[in-house]
Amino acid sequence: SQQGEEDPQALSIQEGENATMNCSYKTSINNLQWYRQNSGRGLVHLILIRSNEREKHSGRLRVTLDTSKKSSSLLITASRAADTASYFCATGGNNRLAFGKGNQVVVIP
Amino acid sequence: GAVVSQHPSRVICKSGTSVKIECRSLDFQATTMFWYRQFPKQSLMLMATSNEGSKATYEQGVEKDKFLINHASLTLSTLTVTSAHPEDSSFYICSARPTGTGYNEKLFFGSGTQLSVL
Repeated sequence: SQQGEEDPQALSIQEGENATMNCSYKTSINNLQWYRQNSGRGLVHLILIRSNEREKHSGRLRVTLDTSKKSSSLLITASRAADTASYFCATGGNNRLAFGKGNQVVVIP
Repeated sequence: GAVVSQHPSRVICKSGTSVKIECRSLDFQATTMFWYRQFPKQSLMLMATSNEGSKATYEQGVEKDKFLINHASLTLSTLTVTSAHPEDSSFYICSARPTGTGYNEKLFFGSGTQLSVL
């Protein structure tokens, strides 16, 4: 089954810096999504990139998708303390979304 | 935007008791809802897919008699942890797929329920 798998990273960066995290998956996809989870809370959808797209922007977020490498990256520019969270990628398959392991990002004020 | 309300947000119960968690889509209908379990610093583990008007589909290894799911309306799914034990302590999250959207479109999540079984 499809499954997004982030590089198991815990990023700690200074406010204002950029944060980059990666995700790889195993099978063909229609789209790939990124979600954010604040500690002890549910997930919030950030951005969806379709398989025929290579790059997508939303505010300070930039997502790339390389279907030949079956990988995606999420870049958060000019990070803020409020960006501190876990970030998950998700891919669709078998009538459900499969979530990767997640990246913990800590932005130090 | 679409809102999913999940409650309670936190519950502490004694071993052997049952706990019901509700997941409501407030401003949209959801034929399908999902229930997940999450351990600290780990990803979401899909437990079951809840379908309005029909039986839930459980993932392999999830006991359907232990985790009862009812999806009686297009806006409400409930998860009941029966005869809870300390090993059931976890963070439970629901998500809802708006009716008419594809299986790989975005989901809307509840805020989660932290269950602690003493």
